[in-house]
Amino acid sequence: DIQMTQSPSSLSASVGDRVTITCRASQGISTYLAWFQQKPGKAPKSLIYATSSLQSGVPSKFSGSGSGTDFTLTISSLQPEDFATYYCQQYNSYPLTFGGGTKVEIK
Amino acid sequence: EVQLVESGGGLVQPGGSLRLSCAASGFTFSDHYMDWVRQAPGKGLEWVGHIRNKPDSYTTKYAASVKGRFTISRDDSKNSLYLQMNSLKSEDTAVYYCGRINGYKFVDYWGQGTLVTVSS
Repeated sequence: DIQMTQSPSSLSASVGDRVTITCRASQGISTYLAWFQQKPGKAPKSLIYATSSLQSGVPSKFSGSGSGTDFTLTISSLQPEDFATYYCQQYNSYPLTFGGGTKVEIK
Repeated sequence: EVQLVESGGGLVQPGGSLRLSCAASGFTFSDHYMDWVRQAPGKGLEWVGHIRNKPDSYTTKYAASVKGRFTISRDDSKNSLYLQMNSLKSEDTAVYYCGRINGYKFVDYWGQGTLVTVSS
């Protein structure tokens, strides 16, 4: 199975900060990497697929990059509604696997 | 508007069975693969499995943790997805989400989830 390791597991940031979250795959997954946002008590929301393509309706402050084994999610200017937990997922091969999540909290 | 609504969750004893449903609307259900993903209390997301569409023979794939105990099925005439869960264990306690897989092979829409609690 492909292991997905996210870092950091949590971070504190201020409104307006630029935030970067890293996801590393235990083996190459090409660009089959997605990012999801989840707020407490709510379903996940899809943000990015194919490493860098924005899901419809997702603001351009979210961006993704990477290939192979190393990937990043960047939020260019953190807003109050962005405080949440973020998950990466590889869909290159079965079983599909998620990272452990990164909780973004208010500083 | 794409909508996915799960139902069927509840309290079940260890070793028991439960069937979850996911009612889809707002899109052509039969065109899409569908996923089940779960989340144990206070934990991260775990992929459970998925079912493909008719052109791809309704092929199913499962996580090792549920293979042989869970069965995913669908009824395209009813725009519905199902998860039959047998031989339930305490570690199956989670919120279960259904998700629509788009043409790029990732989940683009999620249901609101249904809670399954396995406890005596």
